Amino acid sequence: KAGVTQTPRYLIKTRGQQVTLSCSPISGHRSVSWYQQTPGQGLQFLFEYFSETQRNKGNFPGRFSGRQFSNSRSEMNVSTLELGDSALYLCASKGAGRGTDTQYFGPGTRLTVL
Amino acid sequence: DAKTTQPPSMDCAEGRAANLPCNHSTISGNEYVYWYRQIHSQGPQYIIHGLKNNETNEMASLIITEDRKSSTLILPHATLRDTAVYYCIVSDWDNYGQNFVFGPGTRLSVLP
Repeated sequence: KAGVTQTPRYLIKTRGQQVTLSCSPISGHRSVSWYQQTPGQGLQFLFEYFSETQRNKGNFPGRFSGRQFSNSRSEMNVSTLELGDSALYLCASKGAGRGTDTQYFGPGTRLTVL
Repeated sequence: DAKTTQPPSMDCAEGRAANLPCNHSTISGNEYVYWYRQIHSQGPQYIIHGLKNNETNEMASLIITEDRKSSTLILPHATLRDTAVYYCIVSDWDNYGQNFVFGPGTRLSVLP
């Protein structure tokens, strides 16, 4: 079974631009979560989507948004990029979405904002 | 905030067992203990999880104390490729939408 895939793997943008990242979960998984990882703040939860609905959200500004499609693929968007948005963005999927379901992470998208 | 505390770093000699401790003194009855590791700049990799019984798989063993307030991840024969940051996380078993809260983890260095 294929793992979680994320595209693109690397991205360079400039301040003020917007960016869209994509995540394809493991086949059959309906929950997709997004995390941001920076050297200063570590791994932080952004939001989770389950059956096309945002079910949980972390403490991030409204510039960070996401959506999920009927095939469970998910995208996250960051508008008006700031230098501090430079990070590794990780996507994780799990099956039914229960707390005990193991999350499987993708390789991440490395975003650099100049 | 993370519900777990781990030592920031540990060293282990190649071929020896690596024992990584984790304290989760406020764990509730419904919460599982999960372990993940992250090799430099890659996505976290699932290792093992458990509720109250000790667990073993092809990667590691998880020992949970009887009061469940702490656990130890054991890598029986550490190799250089086991050098990574190891995260211990507790997660509620019946909370749909529960998501992992990561602490800083333990940076394990396996030395030749």
